Amino acid sequence: DVKVTQSSRYLVKRTGEKVFLECVQDMDHENMFWYRQDPGLGLRLIYFSYDVKMKEKGDIPEGYSVSREKKERFSLILESASTNQTSMYLCASSLIGMAQGYGYTFGSGTRLTVV
Amino acid sequence: DQQVKQNSPSLSVQEGRISILNCDYTNSMFDYFLWYKKYPAEGPTFLISISSIKDKNEDGRFTVFLNKSAKHLSLHIVPSQPGDSAVYFCAASTSTGSQGNLIFGKGTKLSVKP
Repeated sequence: DVKVTQSSRYLVKRTGEKVFLECVQDMDHENMFWYRQDPGLGLRLIYFSYDVKMKEKGDIPEGYSVSREKKERFSLILESASTNQTSMYLCASSLIGMAQGYGYTFGSGTRLTVV
Repeated sequence: DQQVKQNSPSLSVQEGRISILNCDYTNSMFDYFLWYKKYPAEGPTFLISISSIKDKNEDGRFTVFLNKSAKHLSLHIVPSQPGDSAVYFCAASTSTGSQGNLIFGKGTKLSVKP
């Protein structure tokens, strides 16, 4: 069964900490994405990547950075965590140019709380 | 500007009845549409999709209808079950440009009451 695995389900961090959220996929997908989900705001795209070492800003990149050193791994970095970054973070992957078939495969999410 | 809109944040339906979730879009270049279902504390999972060359796609209790002239699609769930209670996201994509990225609506929370 194909999978997107996020390293933590729940995380509590302090304001100002540097936070790493890890995502690994085993489907050899080219595309990987980071979203956050907040009530009433839906899924908002933070960053995405089409290939190793490539990254593109999404709709809300401020306060975040990403790293993709290997095809299967896409990391989201909160440089200095703030309380307004408390959210559910979702990683997804897809084949390049894809919308056919099943679209994106999502991980189970990381619920991050910044205190 | 939202390209994919789900204007109803929530919907409540009695078990056994039909649930109809609606989605409107503005970009006439969209040629593929998907519905995702999301339970709390889990990632969204693919539910059903439809290509713009079709106007209906059915999978068991789930049917998606596409009205291109109205730029509107809907998801019908018949009969609704309590386990269908979740947030449903509509998504759209164009096969040209932006590597086929999906554009998501804000979601509709469906509650199916026993």
